[in-house]
Amino acid sequence: EVQLVESGGGLVQPGGSLRLSCAASGFTFNNYWMTWVRQAPGKGLEWVANIKQDASENYYVDSVRGRFTISRDNARNSLYLQMNSLTTEDAAMYYCARGGSDSSWYWIHWGQGTLVTVSS
Amino acid sequence: DIQMTQSPSSLSASVTDRVTITCRASQGIGSRLAWYQQKPGRAPKCLIYDASSLQSGVPSRFSGSGSGTDFTLTISSLQPEDFATYYCQHYNAYPITFGQGTRLDIK
Repeated sequence: EVQLVESGGGLVQPGGSLRLSCAASGFTFNNYWMTWVRQAPGKGLEWVANIKQDASENYYVDSVRGRFTISRDNARNSLYLQMNSLTTEDAAMYYCARGGSDSSWYWIHWGQGTLVTVSS
Repeated sequence: DIQMTQSPSSLSASVTDRVTITCRASQGIGSRLAWYQQKPGRAPKCLIYDASSLQSGVPSRFSGSGSGTDFTLTISSLQPEDFATYYCQHYNAYPITFGQGTRLDIK
């Protein structure tokens, strides 16, 4: 069974940093692109970042490029999101997600999410 | 960026009703469209991918159609568990974007 378990969320002050983690199990992690998607409270879904199987390619939504870094450790079956210079606009539930195939950009497996709150 | 516009934004319907939600892309995306269902406090669930392919385990009352810029999600006979928010998402190019969502409530 595919499992994705996020951690690392919490309360951070504006301008602060946070590192999210996603522990993957039940599939061959290094065969899949991995993704972060977020959802602000009461709002819709927003794709944040993608990373290729070997980490040779990554992509970001404009609003986080230069502040967030997606990475992965295939030996540890883990995905990460380093978030710097956080603003109140970054407050959201952050989901780790995996596609339906090794190259698909729609997501059939999701974690339960980790909540990031940005407030002074 | 490709903008995805869903309509309606909200909808009230009754059990056994047939419901259609539409999604329009600001430029052609071929068939690179997915539909998700999300219930409060839960992660999204993929219903449809490639515009019309039913994700494994999803009931056959859900169907998708369309290509290019205009897409529809149809629920042929609403069941109580279908009351939720629905999102479309394109994956034709970066940035990947979602529609704003359609909230489906019980009438």
